[in-house]
Amino acid sequence: DTGVSQDPRHKITKRGQNVTFRCDPISEHNRLYWYRQTLGQGPEFLTYFQNEAQLEKSRLLSDRFSAERPKGSFSTLEIQRTEQGDSAMYLCASSLGGYHEQFFGPGTRLTVL
Amino acid sequence: ILNVEQSPQSLHVQEGDSTNFTCSFPSSNFYALHWYRWETAKSPEALFVMTLNGDEKKKGRISATLNTKEGYSYLYIKGSQPEDSATYLCAFGNNNDMRFGAGTRLTVKP
Repeated sequence: DTGVSQDPRHKITKRGQNVTFRCDPISEHNRLYWYRQTLGQGPEFLTYFQNEAQLEKSRLLSDRFSAERPKGSFSTLEIQRTEQGDSAMYLCASSLGGYHEQFFGPGTRLTVL
Repeated sequence: ILNVEQSPQSLHVQEGDSTNFTCSFPSSNFYALHWYRWETAKSPEALFVMTLNGDEKKKGRISATLNTKEGYSYLYIKGSQPEDSATYLCAFGNNNDMRFGAGTRLTVKP
């Protein structure tokens, strides 16, 4: 399977815990995006990388959120001190560049109790 | 702030009906307009990427048009089928960012 993969697919955690999600993009794609999707809404942009450089961060991304793409391949999204409002589907997508279509992973559904 | 508006929010049609949705976006700093189809329990799947004013794209029974000067795009589905039932998302991008609309949820009744 050469598509975008995300791990884990589901995560249930208690409020205050830290969680980390991983995204493996399509190998030749240099852009990688993170989105958050809540019920009834389209994906909300969080951040994106051009290779290993994080070029843009949404104001939605509070200080508790951090994303990395250390070698320009896979990326991690960490949420510290989770809150119930963080419960959402976290989607990763990759593309060849800004003009190009994005290919989405299956998402990680986070539930914060 | 990049505001992307989609209408209608939801749509119910009968099998065989043709339908269309609207995506409105800022007309300045246009870079690209994407349409995605998102079926329940699946990942969004790209339908079209449109970059030029006046672009028209077609894939089977689905087509899209783009007007960058006035900031809108239409998605058309001809002869809707039950398998077309999904949420149709548009996304507007400038060089740095991409914003999705909330989507139009289409239900096609047999």
